[in-house]
Amino acid sequence: TQLLEQSPQFLSIQEGENLTVYCNSSSVFSSLQWYRQEPGEGPVLLVTVVTGGEVKKLKRLTFQFGDARKDSSLHITAAQPGDTGLYLCAGYIIRDDKIIFGKGTRLHILP
Amino acid sequence: GAGVSQSPSNKVTEKGKDVELRCDPISGHTALYWYRQSLGQGLEFLIYFQGNSAPDKSGLPSDRFSAERTGGSVSTLTIQRTQQEDSAVYLCASSFRGRVYEQYFGPGTRLTVT
Repeated sequence: TQLLEQSPQFLSIQEGENLTVYCNSSSVFSSLQWYRQEPGEGPVLLVTVVTGGEVKKLKRLTFQFGDARKDSSLHITAAQPGDTGLYLCAGYIIRDDKIIFGKGTRLHILP
Repeated sequence: GAGVSQSPSNKVTEKGKDVELRCDPISGHTALYWYRQSLGQGLEFLIYFQGNSAPDKSGLPSDRFSAERTGGSVSTLTIQRTQQEDSAVYLCASSFRGRVYEQYFGPGTRLTVT
C-alpha cells in the first residue's frame, strides 16, 4: 500500500513565526504537488516539484523535493492569517498512473 | 473563468434515497477524478476517468456507488440507497492528459444524509 504521511496533522502558531510541514513516503514519486484548501472550497494547486532536490519559492512559501523523490517539505516564512488552511501534498506514480494524497496539515495562524 | 463546476452545491437527502452529483470539468481536460472528503479529513479517492480508457474504479467504497462520463466531458456520480455514512463533501477534479498530476478542483457538493 502506497502511503504519504504528513506531519504535523495540526499546527497553530502566531502571526510572524516560521513553520515547516513535512510529507514523507517509502514510495518514489515522479512528481509531487502541494495544495491549499480553505473552508467550503476545493483544494488549489500551489506548486509541482519534479526533480530530486528541487526547491521552488512562491512568495513566503518554499517547497523542497527530497533527493530521492520520496519526501517533501513546505516552509512558510513570517506566517500570516491568510496562510490559514488545510495543506495537502500529493505524489504521482507514473508507472501506475496514480495520485496518492496525504491526509493534510491543518494550519491556523493567530493574528 | 471556466473552472471546474459542480452541482448541486448542497444536497440533503433521506436515508435510502438515490442521489446524482454532477461535475463539469475544464474544457479540454481529458482526466477527471472524484474524491470524497469527510469533515476535517483528507481526500479519499473514488474513481478516475482518462480519455476513452476504462475508468479506474478501485476507490469506490461499495456497489452503491457508480459514475459515468459522457462524451469525455460531464461526469455524474450516483449513490444508490444512501446511508448516513455517505455524508461528506464530494469533490471533482480535472487535469490535462500531459500533466494529469496537476488537478483543478471544483468547489464540491456537500451531501447530508438524514
